[in-house]
Amino acid sequence: NAGVTQTPKFRVLKTGQSMTLLCAQDMNHEYMYWYRQDPGMGLRLIHYSVGEGTTAKGEVPDGYNVSRLKKQNFLLGLESAAPSQTSVYFCASSLVQYTEAFFGQGTRLTVV
Amino acid sequence: EDKVVQSPLSLVVHEGDTVTLNCSYEVTNFRSLLWYKQEKKAPTFLFMLTSSGIEKKSGRLSSILDKKELFSILNITATQTGDSAIYLCAVTSYNAGNMLTFGGGTRLMVKP
Repeated sequence: NAGVTQTPKFRVLKTGQSMTLLCAQDMNHEYMYWYRQDPGMGLRLIHYSVGEGTTAKGEVPDGYNVSRLKKQNFLLGLESAAPSQTSVYFCASSLVQYTEAFFGQGTRLTVV
Repeated sequence: EDKVVQSPLSLVVHEGDTVTLNCSYEVTNFRSLLWYKQEKKAPTFLFMLTSSGIEKKSGRLSSILDKKELFSILNITATQTGDSAIYLCAVTSYNAGNMLTFGGGTRLMVKP
């Protein structure tokens, strides 16, 4: 059972570089989310999607863009990485809104 | 702005002890409260509570919600070293576009 898969698991970027994080889920979930987790701050929502072709801003969207071209995939892009974006990024999905979300294993990103 | 506060920030106990973790919240149009356990990587779902006063129970873990006083507790009895983790509390609301809002987590360490 794959569930929610994130790639890559680790990445080091230089300031100003760009990258894309990929999230794939095989549970046919409509809702997908990107969170970042920083020490002592829990998980904060970056962007989310309520279905294929839709995206919306979460709590901390600045510096990130997302796309949901296919139902099973949700991409998170950093166009010009900054040290403040050093964090652990989690993707999650849920069948319907407001119910339990299933999380991927996380991507540890360091921007130097 | 929705707010979730967890206490204590961290806790160290010995195997066999009972622990109580707290989660208080301020949410407009509250819908549900969820508890997650995060070991090394992805948070995993424990409970979802929507009704006040009803206890959810799974083995040695139980949780209760007080919608009047706006808090929830997570109890773990006869703790084991495998209970060592970060416990995350999250809330959802009926507001459009409002997804899971997480607290900062409680780090529990269970010593043999």
